[in-house]
Amino acid sequence: ETGVTQTPRHLVMGMTNKKSLKCEQHLGHNAMYWYKQSAKKPLELMFVYNFKEQTENNSVPSRFSPECPNSSHLFLHLHTLQPEDSALYLCASSQDPSATEAFFGQGTRLTVV
Amino acid sequence: SQQGEEDPQALSIQEGENATMNCSYKTSINNLQWYRQNSGRGLVHLILIRSNEREKHSGRLRVTLDTSKKSSSLLITASRAADTASYFCATDERNNRLAFGKGNQVVVIP
Repeated sequence: ETGVTQTPRHLVMGMTNKKSLKCEQHLGHNAMYWYKQSAKKPLELMFVYNFKEQTENNSVPSRFSPECPNSSHLFLHLHTLQPEDSALYLCASSQDPSATEAFFGQGTRLTVV
Repeated sequence: SQQGEEDPQALSIQEGENATMNCSYKTSINNLQWYRQNSGRGLVHLILIRSNEREKHSGRLRVTLDTSKKSSSLLITASRAADTASYFCATDERNNRLAFGKGNQVVVIP
């Protein structure tokens, strides 16, 4: 148990659906992240939030929309996804964004059909 | 952007043997970290080594860092079946973002 909780653990959605991934941490961390992990590829950093403010968006398509209502919660809203968006989506947090130890959630396995 | 690259990509060993993985990177770093990921789960931080350190130990783990060669190694001694996982190195990029390699799958056969 790392202190970072993601829900749901598994999600199957159609290309026209709208769904949201949730991440929660009670570690008192100020930075939160969304990563995408696809087979045979390195972990891709998608978004970075620091003190609820988005500080980085790594050219992520607009069909992925993050939301950070407070420093403990992070959402990833999904809309009109493509089959190639199927992947493991990992949330992480750290004390600050300066690449110190990151704590990861268990991930959401997303399948787009 | 630079990222750690692990070598070898896949390793299969007998329980009790040692497992060694290497990681190379391209630009200067402040620190390098190793993470473990069990199948389909999140990553778990194992150890962090700073650029001014050459070697670090944590339990059965030994990490070395050679900044002149821009490489690091992770040694797992006396491996156990529970060590079966993927192992990732991560470095801090120029703007202090963690950059992960593709991972190194280790299978420990009981």
